[in-house]
Amino acid sequence: GESVGLHLPTLSVQEGDNSIINCAYSNSASDYFIWYKQESGKGPQFIIDIRSNMDKRQGQRVTVLLNKTVKHLSLQIAATQPGDSAVYFCAENLPSGTYKYIFGTGTRLKVLA
Amino acid sequence: DTAVSQTPKYLVTQMGNDKSIKCEQNLGHDTMYWYKQDSKKFLKIMFSYNNKELIINETVPNRFSPKSPDKAHLNLHINSLELGDSAVYFCASSQEGGRVYGNEQFFGPGTRLTVL
Repeated sequence: GESVGLHLPTLSVQEGDNSIINCAYSNSASDYFIWYKQESGKGPQFIIDIRSNMDKRQGQRVTVLLNKTVKHLSLQIAATQPGDSAVYFCAENLPSGTYKYIFGTGTRLKVLA
Repeated sequence: DTAVSQTPKYLVTQMGNDKSIKCEQNLGHDTMYWYKQDSKKFLKIMFSYNNKELIINETVPNRFSPKSPDKAHLNLHINSLELGDSAVYFCASSQEGGRVYGNEQFFGPGTRLTVL
């Protein structure tokens, strides 16, 4: 089923430390996953994506890990910076032809100076 | 140049009114979407259009009617506005439904709708 946002979890991290944001997705048939960053007053912005035939993908300072066994995604941000403060969403895409994205609840990342 | 633009950015209106939100993308994408984000930041897809054809219509009241005059535009018309319609509405676009690496969804800046 779809996730329902009861409240927005918050992760507070010291500047320079690594951040790990977790997400549980809902549909075992989903085969494409995306992480988005949403800054205050703006629309979500793509960070990184991964297909279900991979378990890890790296970008610049970000890594996405996929564990299909437990339907879990994580986003790792290396050397977290103040500009990383935002709400982060994972999104799952159901198999081809559906054009449907289901978004997770979101996690607010606060970077402490 | 703005990739996905929405107008207006803010919309304050009374219950019972009819209003429209416009969306335009200049990326040449073939798929466009409308999402609703509530006060708890939960993002939910409402509609998806591919090449002007409705692909996804989630369990959205039929007071909401999307219109796609061409591939670059997807407007959202809302009849008989209710208090619960207050939210931020995001338009997005992607190529091939966004399933190709590098062809992710691009979101507009959002329209904050407040129904009084």
